[in-house]
Amino acid sequence: DIQMTQSPSTVSASVGDRVTITCRASQTINDWLAWYQLKPGNAPKLLIYKASNLGSGVPSRFSGSGSGTEFTLTIRSLQPDDFATYYCQQYNYYSQTFGQGTKVEIK
Amino acid sequence: QITLKESGPTLVKPTQTLTLTCSFSGFSLSTNGMGVGWIRQPPGKALEWLALIYWDDDKRYSPSLTSRLTITKDTSKNQVVLTMTNMDPVDTATYYCAHRAYGSGSYYDYWGRGTLVTVSS
Repeated sequence: DIQMTQSPSTVSASVGDRVTITCRASQTINDWLAWYQLKPGNAPKLLIYKASNLGSGVPSRFSGSGSGTEFTLTIRSLQPDDFATYYCQQYNYYSQTFGQGTKVEIK
Repeated sequence: QITLKESGPTLVKPTQTLTLTCSFSGFSLSTNGMGVGWIRQPPGKALEWLALIYWDDDKRYSPSLTSRLTITKDTSKNQVVLTMTNMDPVDTATYYCAHRAYGSGSYYDYWGRGTLVTVSS
């Protein structure tokens, strides 16, 4: 199994801040990585796929980068709607794994 | 417009078998490239991938749960069913179904809102 390690587990930030979340894979996954946003009571939302591609309708303040084993999700200027929990996911045809999640909370 | 909705029991007893149904619209699971997956989230914990079924009836399971899971599809009803045997309190979670994005790789571009399943006697 490929393990995904996210850091930090929690980040406290203010509106307008730049936030960066890291995801590390236990072995190379090329660029087969997605990022999701979860809010209580809502359906999870796809933000980024294939490491750096923006999902449909996702604001441009979200961006993803990385390849191999190291990946980052960046929120350029945090908005009130962005306080949520974020998960990375490695995927291939055979299996997939999620990270442990990063909660972005109000500072 | 793609939508998915999970349904099933909210409470199951330990050792029972859980059966969840994902009803979807906006796509057909008989179309080349399509797939539907199941993911769960125990309270306060991380997402965990469970299973995925492809348009050609190929099936993939989480290695840690493969002995307990079965995923099937009914193309005529636009439904995917997940069964999980020998339920335990640690299986208490919100269970989501999701649409596999078309193309290479198996990430999910549309999700249901999830259904909370509690395992308790």
